[in-house]
Amino acid sequence: GQQLNQSPQSMFIQEGEDVSMNCTSSSIFNTWLWYKQDPGEGPVLLIALYKAGELTSNGRLTAQFGITRKDSFLNISASIPSDVGIYFCAGQRYNAGNMLTFGGGTRLMVKP
Amino acid sequence: DAGVIQSPRHEVTEMGQEVTLRCKPISGHDYLFWYRQTMMRGLELLIYFNNNVPIDDSGMPEDRFSAKMPNASFSTLKIQPSEPRDSAVYFCASSFSGRGTGELFFGEGSRLTVL
Repeated sequence: GQQLNQSPQSMFIQEGEDVSMNCTSSSIFNTWLWYKQDPGEGPVLLIALYKAGELTSNGRLTAQFGITRKDSFLNISASIPSDVGIYFCAGQRYNAGNMLTFGGGTRLMVKP
Repeated sequence: DAGVIQSPRHEVTEMGQEVTLRCKPISGHDYLFWYRQTMMRGLELLIYFNNNVPIDDSGMPEDRFSAKMPNASFSTLKIQPSEPRDSAVYFCASSFSGRGTGELFFGEGSRLTVL
């Protein structure tokens, strides 16, 4: 089952609005990653975070690695229709090789 | 550069038939992962390989599922016999340990429908 609790499960927003989603875990991760999946495609990496407290931006996206190493959030500012898709958080543990644990996903719908 | 290549993109089969899904990882990547995605369960890790060796297959649902990686450039996921509840999108992903980022590169998926 899922070890990362991602919320919300879905969002339906108006174009131009800001979006926020987050992931929490009961255990520590060394790396947090955020992926986006467009309809009919595989997930693609958006942002990777490697240090507790790290805040990273990629265009309209901003993500933070929680100071406790047990959570992360992703913000999207001024949403546009092409932001539609499913957003996944993923965590990597130390000594877990390249294996990632994925959250359940946040399905984002944007109304023009 | 070519990404992860999966085939077929779509497969429709009847219950009881054997299904084989194929994956070609990105050249030079030493990890390969098979995931299954459904609305109910999200992304589930089925099995992953490191240097062609299966490391963790605890996510494989039943003995009907098997996966092989005969060489660094090819992997298969086989379902025999298939059942309607196996209907899902199956993703293959690869990554390179030397990069140290944990980034997985996903294929476009194989959508399986079992009637």
